[in-house]
Amino acid sequence: DTEVTQTPKHLVMGMTNKKSLKCEQHMGHRAMYWYKQKAKKPPELMFVYSYEKLSINESVPSRFSPECPNSSLLNLHLHALQPEDSALYLCASSQVRGVSTDTQYFGPGTRLTVL
Amino acid sequence: AQSVTQPDIHITVSEGASLELRCNYSYGATPYLFWYVQSPGQGLQLLLKYFSGDTLVQGIKGFEAEFKRSQSSFNLRKPSVHWSDAAEYFCAGGRNNNDMRFGAGTRLTVKP
Repeated sequence: DTEVTQTPKHLVMGMTNKKSLKCEQHMGHRAMYWYKQKAKKPPELMFVYSYEKLSINESVPSRFSPECPNSSLLNLHLHALQPEDSALYLCASSQVRGVSTDTQYFGPGTRLTVL
Repeated sequence: AQSVTQPDIHITVSEGASLELRCNYSYGATPYLFWYVQSPGQGLQLLLKYFSGDTLVQGIKGFEAEFKRSQSSFNLRKPSVHWSDAAEYFCAGGRNNNDMRFGAGTRLTVKP
């Protein structure tokens, strides 16, 4: 099973709202990732969690707040977003093999629209 | 700088024709290399990967890719394209979990 699930599939929110995106995997992977993808662009890395600890924050604004409550779950809390934050948000997971890259498996994404 | 480049933004092929999508990498050492496919509004599906060993890699859906160190390339091929192959294709590379680099993507259109 190489499935990463993401909820919700679609989300529309106002600039004053607080919402959360959820990602789940049951492959025993200990690295999880958030990516942001704008239309017709490649995914851009936002955050990396390794063994439930934040290891990479790619200079993401504080209105995005990640959380990894356990090894299977990854959340992205959203607050005071801007319309330019509208995008497809992708979650991925992978094994951790020292410092070597292992295959990242992606979820279907959450399509976020900020009004 | 470490990077992955896909020179072709958009390619159109006829159904049944062969396909080759180009990918070049720029790393000090050979990175691990991947090809992903993305249908509109969907997540990325792994087609194949190269870590080491045999330079011709077989993937899902009849795709294969060949790693050529001399050309710093990892091109994706399929002998006969199906209409369902129309999608966006991303080449990606990295040396560790924190530095995965994606190419800009190549959009494939399949003509009937």
